[in-house]
Amino acid sequence: GESVGLHLPTLSVQEGDNSIINCAYSNSASDYFIWYKQESGKGPQFIIDIRSNMDKRQGQRVTVLLNKTVKHLSLQIAATQPGDSAVYFCAENEQAGTALIFGKGTTLSVSS
Amino acid sequence: KAGVTQTPRYLIKTRGQQVTLSCSPISGHRSVSWYQQTPGQGLQFLFEYFSETQRNKGNFPGRFSGRQFSNSRSEMNVSTLELGDSALYLCASRQGSTGELFFGEGSRLTVL
Repeated sequence: GESVGLHLPTLSVQEGDNSIINCAYSNSASDYFIWYKQESGKGPQFIIDIRSNMDKRQGQRVTVLLNKTVKHLSLQIAATQPGDSAVYFCAENEQAGTALIFGKGTTLSVSS
Repeated sequence: KAGVTQTPRYLIKTRGQQVTLSCSPISGHRSVSWYQQTPGQGLQFLFEYFSETQRNKGNFPGRFSGRQFSNSRSEMNVSTLELGDSALYLCASRQGSTGELFFGEGSRLTVL
């Protein structure tokens, strides 16, 4: 089946650095993409989303980039903080109302 | 506004038993989805309910079932438990049929 995946299972950065977490998706019919953050012992928390008619979307300290040509999604976190340490998942949605397909996650570790 | 509430948070069962997990969505949310999270398979979609009707179902055996009540609360049941059913079961709700999913903290099931 088609699925969303992340390139790296772990990413270690220093506090204050910018972090980039990547995700490749295979379903060209997907039109909605979301990044979630999951801290230990908690459920996934919505970070930011983007629709397929956009290339870039910015939030507070986060930016999501979508490259439909190569089916690539990335999450950029500016000035990474220790509180950003968590597992990050990308997810895709083929059409409104269908189930989200999650990637396997990247564990971000931020050292101070 | 209270978030998505799942009960119980932790439970231990033995093989062959059955289990029922409960989810109370955010007030006003009519859609409830269930996901299974394991280290090996990541987050996998189980089913989604909207206005008491199952709208989508993932690729899980018939031992996994669910339902939604008129107050939007949902339950999922797993019968004849297997060791491989040990997982974090996450419930998520959203207001309509599309839009941001809000996750609960999950019910961690251990099957011995």
